[in-house]
Amino acid sequence: EVQLVQSGAEVKKPGESLKISCKGSGYSFTNYWIAWVRQMPGKGLEWMGIIYPGDSKTKYSPSFQGQVSISADKSISTAYLHWSSLRASDIAMYYCARKEMSTTSDAFDVWGQGTMVTVSS
Amino acid sequence: QLVLTQSPSASASLGASVKLTCTLSSGHSRNAIAWHQQQPEKGPRYLMKLNSDGSHIKGDGIPDRFSGSSSGAERYLTISNLQSEDEADYHCQTWGTGIWVFGGGTKLTVL
Repeated sequence: EVQLVQSGAEVKKPGESLKISCKGSGYSFTNYWIAWVRQMPGKGLEWMGIIYPGDSKTKYSPSFQGQVSISADKSISTAYLHWSSLRASDIAMYYCARKEMSTTSDAFDVWGQGTMVTVSS
Repeated sequence: QLVLTQSPSASASLGASVKLTCTLSSGHSRNAIAWHQQQPEKGPRYLMKLNSDGSHIKGDGIPDRFSGSSSGAERYLTISNLQSEDEADYHCQTWGTGIWVFGGGTKLTVL
């Protein structure tokens, strides 16, 4: 079964750093792009960035460039989303998603269960 | 600019059909999109990829009650024989060169 399993909920203070993870299984992790998507409370989905674990090539949404960093460790089939200094505005659910391997589609076809990030002093 | 527009809400009765709309911004009417379902307190689930000609490929295990169609810049998701578990948010997604975009989502209420 193809799965993306994310790390658990986090509660952090403003200014703290955080790295959350997304582990893929049931498919060749190296060969599929992994995206990160933010969902603020009561709001829609926002694409943040995407990484190709095979060579760690990344692309960021202009809205998130410089705010977060995305990395991957292909040896353990895991992608990461990292903040160096959290803000209250980072409170959200974060999803990882796999991009289809297709010449005609860039849809996200598998989703993780989500990681809730709470930032509070 | 690549933008997707969805109505914030829709409703239909149990057993009826409903057609949700996702509209592509000007200049992007040939884009394919994807539909995703997000049930309450759950993560999104991929439903299908929908092309500009109305052809679509559904994800694994998606019931036949879900279908897609297209007209111009509009992409539709039709759910027939509505069930209580279809009450959810429905998000459309598209992509360009190095960018991915979501619509604002439609909250479907099953009456």
